[in-house]
Amino acid sequence: AQSVTQPDIHITVSEGASLELRCNYSYGATPYLFWYVQSPGQGLQLLLKYFSGDTLVQGIKGFEAEFKRSQSSFNLRKPSVHWSDAAEYFCAVGTGTYKYIFGTGTRLKVLA
Amino acid sequence: DTAVSQTPKYLVTQMGNDKSIKCEQNLGHDTMYWYKQDSKKFLKIMFSYNNKELIINETVPNRFSPKSPDKAHLNLHINSLELGDSAVYFCASSQRRGEGDTQYFGPGTRLTVL
Repeated sequence: AQSVTQPDIHITVSEGASLELRCNYSYGATPYLFWYVQSPGQGLQLLLKYFSGDTLVQGIKGFEAEFKRSQSSFNLRKPSVHWSDAAEYFCAVGTGTYKYIFGTGTRLKVLA
Repeated sequence: DTAVSQTPKYLVTQMGNDKSIKCEQNLGHDTMYWYKQDSKKFLKIMFSYNNKELIINETVPNRFSPKSPDKAHLNLHINSLELGDSAVYFCASSQRRGEGDTQYFGPGTRLTVL
């Protein structure tokens, strides 16, 4: 069955430190992969997406993600975190049945 | 201009009542969705419409009835509200119904059932 796992429920980093949020997926075919961010009280905003081609994808707000087929992973990274990055981050896979399956989210806290 | 809008933003009601949430998108998209986000932030799809036609109906109680009067609107009506219906409901839209199409989300409607 298709699934998305985000192993880290909470992550705390200091402002200026690097960040990596993990995402593992289970899907039989080549997946469509997405990262969304949800700020408190807000809807979800797309950070980046992967369909095919270059496995390193650049997104908005300085985020990037790397698709690793051998590890079934699509981890999100940022070299230097800003306080405004504190939010909930969701990884999602687009399935052949025209819907997304979301991970359970990772809540990022940024220390000043 | 807001791309995907939902009304109301907050909805507080008693058990047993009937309520509706409205969603509108001005992106010209063909496909719209309703998601439910529970208290643990888990986000699960409920329904999807493509050009006013229902294409996804996840195992949602039939107290929930989506209605799409045109492809820019997808409303959610809930009958006989229960405590477990308390959640944040998100509307989303995508240009087409492909699994690779980016979905654009509304700001959410926080429903509290007392």
